[in-house]
Amino acid sequence: GQNIDQPTEMTATEGAIVQINCTYQTSGFNGLFWYQQHAGEAPTFLSYNVLDGLEEKGRFSSFLSRSKGYSYLLLKELQMKDSASYLCAVRDGDYKLSFGAGTTVTVRA
Amino acid sequence: GAVVSQHPSWVICKSGTSVKIECRSLDFQATTMFWYRQFPKQSLMLMATSNEGSKATYEQGVEKDKFLINHASLTLSTLTVTSAHPEDSSFYICSARVIPLGGFVEQSSYEQYFGPGTRLTVT
Repeated sequence: GQNIDQPTEMTATEGAIVQINCTYQTSGFNGLFWYQQHAGEAPTFLSYNVLDGLEEKGRFSSFLSRSKGYSYLLLKELQMKDSASYLCAVRDGDYKLSFGAGTTVTVRA
Repeated sequence: GAVVSQHPSWVICKSGTSVKIECRSLDFQATTMFWYRQFPKQSLMLMATSNEGSKATYEQGVEKDKFLINHASLTLSTLTVTSAHPEDSSFYICSARVIPLGGFVEQSSYEQYFGPGTRLTVT
């Protein structure tokens, strides 16, 4: 089975940086994904890591350490529209995704 | 990116009735589709994996006779909630995974494309 932990809520100021941590314990690992989900909508893909290290994609970066079972999503230059839930998901060998409970990020002016 | 649609986007039904939710891949063929359920302020929970032309694989604790899944074509999977009860009220989301035909593709291409979700309310 999969056990995925991430903080419940985070608050930050517009223009700031926020780091969302995710730790996981899995029976199989075939990649880690980060998704953004606005209330009442489906998740949208943000990033993917399968090897250790940092993946940068514009204002968003994601880091993975497989030996530590740890990942983080870094959001830079926060904008009001970044207020959403951010989901960490681990893919197993059967390509099934297990999701964390999500971190609600609130961006304040 | 690939587009996945769901219909209906929301539905209200009476307790004891059945509801069918459709999931379509619009611009690609999906050999595998996944059905998730999400309760308010909770994360997505995988219900079942639907493979075209074969029986769905259900996750532990999901009643296969209550949640009927049919994946009759490479672009359509349906989830039917039978004899719905108020506790079945939830946000149902499907996703589709495309397998490229031949050639090397980065693993990231095996990401899942999510539909917009269906809000089911059982009264």
